Amino acid sequence: EVQLVESGGGLVEPGGSLRLSCAASGFTFSNAWMTWVRQAPGKGLEWVGRIKSKTHGGTTDYAAPVKDRFTISRDDSKNTLYLQMNSLKTEDTAVYYCTTQGLSMTPVGWFDPWGQGTLVTVSS
Amino acid sequence: EIVMTQSPATLSVSPGERVTLSCRASQSLSSNLAWYQQKPGQAPRLLIYGASTRATGIPARFSGSGSGTEFTLTISNLQSEDFAVYYCQQYNNWFTFGGGTKMEIK
Repeated sequence: EVQLVESGGGLVEPGGSLRLSCAASGFTFSNAWMTWVRQAPGKGLEWVGRIKSKTHGGTTDYAAPVKDRFTISRDDSKNTLYLQMNSLKTEDTAVYYCTTQGLSMTPVGWFDPWGQGTLVTVSS
Repeated sequence: EIVMTQSPATLSVSPGERVTLSCRASQSLSSNLAWYQQKPGQAPRLLIYGASTRATGIPARFSGSGSGTEFTLTISNLQSEDFAVYYCQQYNNWFTFGGGTKMEIK
């Protein structure tokens, strides 16, 4: 069974840092382009960023609101995706979901499957 | 950035009815559009990709159509489990989501 399990969320003060993890199982993690999507309370979905597979260079791309503050990385030996969030702002408060651009070596544009999400609250 | 606009924001319908949700893009997407369903407290679930292809395990009562800038998601014979929020997402130029349509029981 394909599974994505996020962890690491919590309460952090503005300006602080937090690292989220996403543990993957049930598929060949190293082949997958991995993505973070967030959802502010009561709001819609927002793409945060992605990391390509190492086969495709392992490069990262970010949405404008998080560029230069957030860093996505992966450890294929541990089947784990990370999101390092620095200089956090109150507007970063959201549920953060881990998802993929497909489970094969050929990435797709849609996202499937998704983890259950982890809540990050930025507040003083 | 491509802006995705969904309408209506909220829809009140009865079980058994047929409903059509709309999604409009600020520029042409060809068929690079997906639909998701999200229930309270749950992660989004992929329904449709390529504007009209159902994802694995999605019932035939869900259908998608459209191309360019206008897209629709049609749900026939609404079941109780279909009441949720529906999002469209473009992947023609990076990734953006619509604001969602919340479907409520009338």
